Amino acid sequence: AQKVTQAQTEISVVEKEDVTLDCVYETRDTTYYLFWYKQPPSGELVFLIRRNSFDEQNEISGRYSWNFQKSTSSFNFTITASQVVDSAVYFCALSEGGTGANSKLTFGKGITLSVRP
Amino acid sequence: DAGVTQSPTHLIKTRGQHVTLRCSPISGHKSVSWYQQVLGQGPQFIFQYYEKEERGRGNFPDRFSARQFPNYSSELNVNALLLGDSALYLCASSTLSRSGYNYEQYFGPGTRLTVT
Repeated sequence: AQKVTQAQTEISVVEKEDVTLDCVYETRDTTYYLFWYKQPPSGELVFLIRRNSFDEQNEISGRYSWNFQKSTSSFNFTITASQVVDSAVYFCALSEGGTGANSKLTFGKGITLSVRP
Repeated sequence: DAGVTQSPTHLIKTRGQHVTLRCSPISGHKSVSWYQQVLGQGPQFIFQYYEKEERGRGNFPDRFSARQFPNYSSELNVNALLLGDSALYLCASSTLSRSGYNYEQYFGPGTRLTVT
C-alpha cells in the first residue's frame, strides 16, 4: 500500500524567507510518480510539479525547487523568497505505476503555509 | 482554454437523499477521477474512469457510483446520504502518454456538499 506523510502541519514565515516543505512516501512499486499540489483558500488544487521515480535529478523552476532522494523516500519542496500569495495548503501526492489509465493519487494531509508581510 | 468545470459549486442535502455531481474535463482529456476531501484532510480517491470504463475504485461504499459519458464528462452519484458525506468533491482530468501513463491530473474547483 502506498502512503504519504507530511509531518509538518503548519508553517509560518515572513515574506522573502525561504521555506522547505517536507514529504516522505512509502511504496512497493519501483516505478512511481511524485507530485506537489497547492490549494489556496478558493479550494481548487493547483498542480505544481511532478517527478518520476527513475529520475532523481533535482531542478529549479522559478522560485520553486525540489529535492528528490530515493534513499530516504523523501520529496521535499522549497519556495525561495516566499510571497504572501504563496499562502495556501500544500499537498504531496504519490501515484504508483500509472500505466493503463489507472493512476490514483494518494495525498498527504497537507501543510498550511502562511506568509506574513 | 477552459479548465475542469464542476457543477454545482455548493449543495445542501438532507440525510437519506441522493445527490448527483457533474464534471467536464479539459478538452482532449479522456480520463476523469473523483476525490473526496473532508475538511482538514488530503483528498481521498473515489473513482477513475477512462474511455467510459471504470479503471480504479477507492475504499468507498457502494452508495457511491459514477459514470463517464461519450463526451468524457462524468457524474458522481451518492445515495442514502450520511452526515459524514459532507465534504468537498473534486474532479480531475488527465491525458495519457503513448506508453499509457496517466499524466498529471488537473483539478476542478470542486463541489461543496453539506449534508444536514
